[in-house]
Amino acid sequence: ETGVTQTPRHLVMGMTNKKSLKCEQHLGHNAMYWYKQSAKKPLELMFVYSLEERVENNSVPSRFSPECPNSSHLFLHLHTLQPEDSALYLCASSQDRTGGIVYGYTFGSGTRLTVV
Amino acid sequence: LAKTTQPISMDSYEGQEVNITCSHNNIATNDYITWYQQFPSQGPRFIIQGYKTKVTNEVASLFIPADRKSSTLSLPRVSLSDTAVYYCLVGDEDNAGNMLTFGGGTRLMVKP
Repeated sequence: ETGVTQTPRHLVMGMTNKKSLKCEQHLGHNAMYWYKQSAKKPLELMFVYSLEERVENNSVPSRFSPECPNSSHLFLHLHTLQPEDSALYLCASSQDRTGGIVYGYTFGSGTRLTVV
Repeated sequence: LAKTTQPISMDSYEGQEVNITCSHNNIATNDYITWYQQFPSQGPRFIIQGYKTKVTNEVASLFIPADRKSSTLSLPRVSLSDTAVYYCLVGDEDNAGNMLTFGGGTRLMVKP
């Protein structure tokens, strides 16, 4: 257990479904992130939140919609996904957006998403 | 953001010392060097970080030469459980957002 908890661990959804991924941290961190890791590809940064405000969106399709209601929780809402969206989705947090470089980023175990 | 280059994969045997080198030729003055470890179906885990010379913790050592254009992660006496992907990242607090880009990493396979 790293201090960053992601649920569910596994998710299978159809292309017309709507689902949400949840991330929770009680480390007192102020920055949270969503990453996507496809098979045999590098980690791709999707979204960055700092103090509950979105500060970065790396050209992610609108079928992915993040939400950060408070500094401890981060959601990724999914709708009308494609099979190529199947991947491991990782949540991470850091003390603050700049503190991560000094104190490191803490990752959750991820949600393995399969779109059928 | 200083681009990093690492070997795609490495093989080793239990009990051996493993050294993984990362090249970062255009590292900036304020950049730190950080290494992460990732097991299958898990998120990356912070291993070690340094700025210059040598850093050691309970998991690994990090060697950084004077010109800082490369760094070497050293894992002493590896075991099967050290089989993982190891990532080298370079960045500073001013562009920490850009630091969040992971490269392909080095896939280490430890054999019995």
